Amino acid sequence: DTGVSQNPRHKITKRGQNVTFRCDPISEHNRLYWYRQTLGQGPEFLTYFQNEAQLEKSRLLSDRFSAERPKGSFSTLEIQRTEQGDSAMYLCASSNSGRPEQFFGPGTRLTVL
Amino acid sequence: SQQGEEDPQALSIQEGENATMNCSYKTSINNLQWYRQNSGRGLVHLILIRSNEREKHSGRLRVTLDTSKKSSSLLITASRAADTASYFCATDSYSGGSNYKLTFGKGTLLTVNP
Repeated sequence: DTGVSQNPRHKITKRGQNVTFRCDPISEHNRLYWYRQTLGQGPEFLTYFQNEAQLEKSRLLSDRFSAERPKGSFSTLEIQRTEQGDSAMYLCASSNSGRPEQFFGPGTRLTVL
Repeated sequence: SQQGEEDPQALSIQEGENATMNCSYKTSINNLQWYRQNSGRGLVHLILIRSNEREKHSGRLRVTLDTSKKSSSLLITASRAADTASYFCATDSYSGGSNYKLTFGKGTLLTVNP
């Protein structure tokens, strides 16, 4: 059984650079979520896909953030022109239709210098 | 924004003791879930309780829910060193299209000393 995977696990970048993260959900899950977690806080919702459709975005997701889920399988989260405030753990989760339990990946830790 | 607050923020106990963590939330919910996070890693789902349930058990875990007080508690019995982790409560409420987006509290850091 393969769980949710995320790549890369760690990313260090300089301010102003673009970064892209990938999430591979559990294969039979049609829902995919992105969350952001900063030190000492719980995860905060960023965006949600059902199959390939992006159905909800948080106000936290500024214009510099974009997420895609082509073909309803893996998803990418891109941050353009990174800022130091973007430094955080980015978590991906997936779930089945009608099931509230979410299964999380290990996260991608982003450090913006 | 954070929906809930866990209490206490940190808890240190000896192996074999019970650990109780509390969670309060602000708005009406459909479900409340508890997750565990080991240092710097992803979250692991522990247990879910629906808004029409009052108590639920799973192994060494016992969860209670009081919707009138908008609060929940997680009890871990006979704790082990491997239970050392951060514990988060998360609530969900329908948001169009049955989106179960989760709203988390800040978590309780549990340390179980051998």
